[in-house]
Amino acid sequence: AQRVTQPEKLLSVFKGAPVELKCNYSYSGSPELFWYVQYSRQRLQLLLRHISRESIKGFTADLNKGETSFHLKKPFAQEEDSAMYYCAPLWGDYKLSFGAGTTVTVRA
Amino acid sequence: SAVISQKPSRDICQRGTSLTIQCQVDSQVTMMFWYRQQPGQSLTLIATANQGSEATYESGFVIDKFPISRPNLTFSTLTVSNMSPEDSSIYLCSVAGTAAFNEQFFGPGTRLTVL
Repeated sequence: AQRVTQPEKLLSVFKGAPVELKCNYSYSGSPELFWYVQYSRQRLQLLLRHISRESIKGFTADLNKGETSFHLKKPFAQEEDSAMYYCAPLWGDYKLSFGAGTTVTVRA
Repeated sequence: SAVISQKPSRDICQRGTSLTIQCQVDSQVTMMFWYRQQPGQSLTLIATANQGSEATYESGFVIDKFPISRPNLTFSTLTVSNMSPEDSSIYLCSVAGTAAFNEQFFGPGTRLTVL
């Protein structure tokens, strides 16, 4: 069965500290992988996609096909990074499958 | 990118009634989807809204409970029928096919509370 796992429900870090959000997937084939973010009182929006290999707002994510992981990282967290983050593989006809989400709190 | 609006933004309904949620996009889009986000849960895909034909429902969702219309490439509705308190959720519309790399854009959501 196709599955995506985000093991951390909550993650709290200090400002300036590194942050890593874990994502593991179990899919047949090679899905496209995305990270979506939802800031307080805002709608869900795309943060990163593995295919473009971009760095957005200081975040990067590396697809590790051997470990079937797509962890999200940022070396120096900022207070404005506090949000809910969803890992989302894309399968068949644009369909996204969302992980449970990780709430990140960055403390001053 | 696409700008998506949803109506209503929130509603409180009595059990046994039905509510229709509208999703309007500012440009023509290929794909439109409806998601549900139950309290404290992640997003679950309900169905793909197909223009000119019946929606494609995911496992666990049926047309009688969640009828969907898509009369054109910029508009869709989702009806939550014969509501019960378990239907209390945020319902989100999303679109794809307007940008590269399969990016989806999401509406602001409709927060439904069923008493």
